[in-house]
Formats: sequence, C-alpha cells, structure tokens
Amino acid sequence: LAKTTQPISMDSYEGQEVNITCSHNNIATNDYITWYQQFPSQGPRFIIQGYKTKVTNEVASLFIPADRKSSTLSLPRVSLSDTAVYYCLVEGGATNKLIFGTGTLLAVQP
Amino acid sequence: DAMVIQNPRYQVTQFGKPVTLSCSQTLNHNVMYWYQQKSSQAPKLLFHYYDKDFNNEADTPDNFQSRRPNTSFCFLDIRSPGLGDAAMYLCATSRGPPEGTQYFGPGTRLTVL
Repeated sequence: LAKTTQPISMDSYEGQEVNITCSHNNIATNDYITWYQQFPSQGPRFIIQGYKTKVTNEVASLFIPADRKSSTLSLPRVSLSDTAVYYCLVEGGATNKLIFGTGTLLAVQP
Repeated sequence: DAMVIQNPRYQVTQFGKPVTLSCSQTLNHNVMYWYQQKSSQAPKLLFHYYDKDFNNEADTPDNFQSRRPNTSFCFLDIRSPGLGDAAMYLCATSRGPPEGTQYFGPGTRLTVL
C-alpha cells in the first residue's frame, strides 16, 4: 500500500485559506486519494476524495497533479472549529484498506 | 439517520479480563473494519470483514479476535487485555470496491486497570 507523507503540524488564523500537501510517490493506478478530518475523541470524518485533477465540495477542494504523486487539500477561510488532525490516505484495490499516516495537526488561531 | 454506532463509548476492564466491543451499522455496507488508535497516534487497522470473509492484518496480536454474525453487527473481542491495549477502538464501514469511502463510528475508549 502506498505510504503518505504530510507535515506534522500547521498553524493558521481564522479567515485564511489553508493548503495541506501530501506526497504519495508509490500510488497505484487504481488508488484514490482521500482526506479525513479527526477531532479529539471522535472517529475520523470523510472530507473529500479524488482520482486526478481537481475536486471540490462544500467543505474543501482537492488538487491532484497529472503524475498523482502528491495532492493538496485546500480549506477556504478556516475557522476555529477547523482545528483538527487531517489525514491523507490512498485507498483502492480489492479491499479499500486504509493505512493512516501521521496526519497534520492544523491549529487555527483567532 | 443511517450511521455507525459503537457501544459502549467508554469501557473499563481489568488486566486479563476478557472484553467485547460492539459495532452496528444501518448503512448496509459490505465491509466493516476495526482500528486501534492510541493517544496521539494515527488509527491502526486491526482487521476487516468483506461480507463474511475475515481479513486479519499480519501484525494484529492473537489477543484480538472479531465476529460478524450478520451484515449489521461486528464485535471486537480482546481475550486478555493488557495495559498496552488501552486505546480508542474505532469501527468503520464501506460499500467496498470501487466505492472505498469509510464511515467511522464515534469509537470506544478502553481503559485497562
């Protein structure tokens, strides 16, 4: 399974756009890229998923270059409630197993 | 609302005393997963069921077992909990390939005394 690498932590202020980049050099052809958000003492929550180019939903955007060896999660105008750990994962194949990396702790300050 | 439910949310057990954690889903998903998450660490997959087929991760200790009596329910049995098994245990479901998105329950926090 492809491993992912992302920054351990990031700081931001309310109202700013936050971009978290993840590298996944060994991604397989049938793998999707998925981002999850986790608050303390809660289960991870699905944010967005993509295969290539750009995906946007009501919460975030996901940018994936043509080689798919990295991806960037973009959170527009973050608020204090966006403080959480964000995990980048690649999943696919016959089992859709998720192998979590270290995640990025995003701290949003007033 | 369709969801993944875990009971209990908090479980205290004694060293060596067997404990069972429960997960149920109303999503009618084919795949159910169990993860272990220790403090300040990422979730670690223990095993999963694809329908009735059980798939164990290579490094999951024998102390951990699972049962899936039907589509809706899945149980995690810890036969002889040690202090190192204290963690949050997360259940998740997915439809299975090619739709891989996993939906997580709130977790059960296990304390071992």
